[in-house]
Amino acid sequence: DAGVIQSPRHEVTEMGQEVTLRCKPISGHNSLFWYRQTMMRGLELLIYFNNNVPIDDSGMPEDRFSAKMPNASFSTLKIQPSEPRDSAVYFCASSPQTGLANYGYTFGSGTRLTVV
Amino acid sequence: KNQVEQSPQSLIILEGKNCTLQCNYTVSPFSNLRWYKQDTGRGPVSLTIMTFSENTKSNGRYTATLDADTKQSSLHITASQLSDSASYICVVNGAGSYQLTFGKGTKLSVIP
Repeated sequence: DAGVIQSPRHEVTEMGQEVTLRCKPISGHNSLFWYRQTMMRGLELLIYFNNNVPIDDSGMPEDRFSAKMPNASFSTLKIQPSEPRDSAVYFCASSPQTGLANYGYTFGSGTRLTVV
Repeated sequence: KNQVEQSPQSLIILEGKNCTLQCNYTVSPFSNLRWYKQDTGRGPVSLTIMTFSENTKSNGRYTATLDADTKQSSLHITASQLSDSASYICVVNGAGSYQLTFGKGTKLSVIP
């Protein structure tokens, strides 16, 4: 099992450019989460998918952020246009079942985004 | 508001020594509490998961305790190693919820 795979590992882009982050969850996991981590705020949930359907996107900062999950093995998080305050580490996590005790959330290694 | 507070914010200890990290939470209702280890440049990795009825859970040199009455948890690391240098994050899952409430973490540095 390769775990949750995220790409790219690092992304540096100029303000105003479109950024797309990618995630491949663990096979068989039906829940997928996108998180953002900053020094100031720690880990914050951006959006949660269950069986490829967005269930809760209340954490998405604004309309510049969008996420899709076209199938069970792939998800994207897009920022358009990007701004310097979007600089953070973005994590994808998957789980075999939603919000139940004893089910672990497996995190990917993250994408470090720097917007200059 | 659901909150998880961790202390200390950072800690430096000598290799071979023990240490204890603290976590206080206000999440209610409560389902489980998890401790994660996050190495620099990596994603968090689960160390332990404890439900309401569990007081102690061990994973090698890591032992987590939970007092659901006082809403406190601790993570004790025995005979620390250089590889224990990482951030340790306390995470609480509310009952019936997919939402995780994260602490800001304790940054542990183990020095030779």
